[in-house]
Amino acid sequence: EAGVTQFPSHSVIEKGQTVTLRCDPISGHDNLYWYRRVMGKEIKFLLHFVKESKQDESGMPNNRFLAERTGGTYSTLKVQPAELEDSGVYFCASSPGSLYGYTFGSGTRLTVV
Amino acid sequence: DQQVKQNSPSLSVQEGRISILNCDYTNSMFDYFLWYKKYPAEGPTFLISISSIKDKNEDGRFTVFLNKSAKHLSLHIVPSQPGDSAVYFCAASGSSNTGKLIFGQGTTLQVKP
Repeated sequence: EAGVTQFPSHSVIEKGQTVTLRCDPISGHDNLYWYRRVMGKEIKFLLHFVKESKQDESGMPNNRFLAERTGGTYSTLKVQPAELEDSGVYFCASSPGSLYGYTFGSGTRLTVV
Repeated sequence: DQQVKQNSPSLSVQEGRISILNCDYTNSMFDYFLWYKKYPAEGPTFLISISSIKDKNEDGRFTVFLNKSAKHLSLHIVPSQPGDSAVYFCAASGSSNTGKLIFGQGTTLQVKP
C-alpha cells in the first residue's frame, strides 16, 4: 500500500512569491490533515478535510494560506504571498477514521528567503 | 498557550537501559494520547497510544503511563536500542473526536551503544 506522498520535498522561494504544496493521501482515506512544524517547535494543526469538505480550518494562520482538496482525493496548500515566518516543515496526514490509522507523509520543507 | 508540553528537549541513555520521556498537558478535556517517533527527513510514525480511561498501555518494549490527576504521561522504552534514537512527540486529542492532534515540542532521544 502506498503511503502519504508529499511534493515537493523541499522548496526555497523568495519572500512575496507563491508556493503550492501537494499531498496525496492513502487511497480510500477520507480524512486529510495539514500540519506545520516551525523552527523545531511543536507540530501545529492547520486544517482537516473530510473528503472534499473542510471540517476544521481553525489552525490556518491567515488568509495567505489556501487549502483545497479536489474531488476528495489529493490536496494542495498554497501560500501567497509567502513571508519569512512561513518557513518550516509542512506535514500532511491521512486516516480512514477520525483518530485511528493516522499516517503522515515525509513533509515538505519550505524555506522563504 | 501551549496545551501539550515536553519540557526536556533532549535525552541521552545507554543502550540496554530504560528511556523515560515525559509529557504534560493542561486541557482536562483531552481524552486520547499518542506518542509518535520521527526520524530526520521523515514524517512522524505512530508508536503507541492510550485512552483516558486507562492508566497504562504496553506494546513490546514500549509502555505509556497516564496520570490524569497530574495531567502527565510518560513513555518508557525498555531496553533502549540505538535504533530508538529519534525525536519523540507526545500528542493529545480532545473529546470532540475530530482527529485534530495537539503536539508537544518533541524530545530528541539519543541511545548510545
